[in-house]
Amino acid sequence: NAGVTQTPKFRVLKTGQSMTLLCAQDMNHEYMYWYRQDPGMGLRLIHYSVGEGTTAKGEVPDGYNVSRLKKQNFLLGLESAAPSQTSVYFCASSYSSGTVRNEQFFGPGTRLTVL
Amino acid sequence: AQSVTQPDIHITVSEGASLELRCNYSYGATPYLFWYVQSPGQGLQLLLKYFSGDTLVQGIKGFEAEFKRSQSSFNLRKPSVHWSDAAEYFCAVAARRSGGGADGLTFGKGTHLIIQP
Repeated sequence: NAGVTQTPKFRVLKTGQSMTLLCAQDMNHEYMYWYRQDPGMGLRLIHYSVGEGTTAKGEVPDGYNVSRLKKQNFLLGLESAAPSQTSVYFCASSYSSGTVRNEQFFGPGTRLTVL
Repeated sequence: AQSVTQPDIHITVSEGASLELRCNYSYGATPYLFWYVQSPGQGLQLLLKYFSGDTLVQGIKGFEAEFKRSQSSFNLRKPSVHWSDAAEYFCAVAARRSGGGADGLTFGKGTHLIIQP
């Protein structure tokens, strides 16, 4: 079991470039999430998905898009990167029912720098 | 909307001493509560969680936390810290959803734990 994996681990972009971050989980979780972590800010929810083909906005969705075409994958896209999107991005997943709902498993993170 | 406050940005503790990290939450009902730990350059690892029942919960690595409804607190404790406990600690809250669905976790800003030899 690999758990939650993220690709790539590091990336440097120029302002205006686009990119896609990939999150994959092999735990058959229904729910998946994208967070960003900035110094002194903790983690903030960008978008999430409660199942294949569904997505919803979180606390800080502007400038990002997501897609969940397959249950095991959750993609985060930046169409036109800005320096304010320099951050560490974490993907997480969780089960959808029972008392373990909301217990999230996190990936190792992607460090993104936008110049 | 729920919120989480971790009043201490940094805490320094001597190795072998006891530890308490504070967490206060704001939510209209009884929430799901979590403590996560993040080592440098790593992802987040769940230490413990509270859903219901006994208000004193045990976690991994010798940590425990106590849910106090009257104080809206969920403080993390460890009786004797080890140098390997140096890390960033995050308290988080999730809203209960009777109809299913999940809107993610709301995190505090974290407490950086430094262990002195």
